[in-house]
Amino acid sequence: GQQLNQSPQSMFIQEGEDVSMNCTSSSIFNTWLWYKQDPGEGPVLLIALYKAGELTSNGRLTAQFGITRKDSFLNISASIPSDVGIYFCAGGGYNQGGKLIFGQGTELSVKP
Amino acid sequence: SQTIHQWPATLVQPVGSPLSLECTVEGTSNPNLYWYRQAAGRGLQLLFYSVGIGQISSEVPQNLSASRPQDRQFILSSKKLLLSDSGFYLCAWSWEGGTQYFGPGTRLLVL
Repeated sequence: GQQLNQSPQSMFIQEGEDVSMNCTSSSIFNTWLWYKQDPGEGPVLLIALYKAGELTSNGRLTAQFGITRKDSFLNISASIPSDVGIYFCAGGGYNQGGKLIFGQGTELSVKP
Repeated sequence: SQTIHQWPATLVQPVGSPLSLECTVEGTSNPNLYWYRQAAGRGLQLLFYSVGIGQISSEVPQNLSASRPQDRQFILSSKKLLLSDSGFYLCAWSWEGGTQYFGPGTRLLVL
């Protein structure tokens, strides 16, 4: 089946540092989504990307939809303690029949 | 605006007991609805999805079933729970298979 490779699996950083994570796939997607999940809660949508090459920002977060449609990255600038959580990428589109394919998540820890 | 609710938030059940988890969506009509399970290892596993009332697609064979008795209600059930059914259950909705929005989740512990 289709899979997304998300890396890194975990990150331990100092407050104020920048963070970068990415997802790659052998499949083409029409949509790339990035979610954040806090402990014990449901994932919350951070950024949605709908066009190849699209670069979108949401505050300190920036995400890009790869030109090949097979990858995406998420950057967080100047991290703060509340950035702690698990970040998921997800790909969707016509080939996925209304479903999303999720990466395995990147667990982010921020040291004050 | 749209909101999604899940009930209960936490549930502890003995092995062999029945299960019923409820998900309801407000502020939209004819959404696609999804049930996911998230084990401690944190990946999201799609269990069921529905594109309309009474229409359920199962993604993996298992001890669970789903029903959609109303447009904005999605139910996850089991007749007899197994230890392996423990986990965090998430409901999500989307418009026509697009971006999905998740509920707060139900934590199930089977003892």
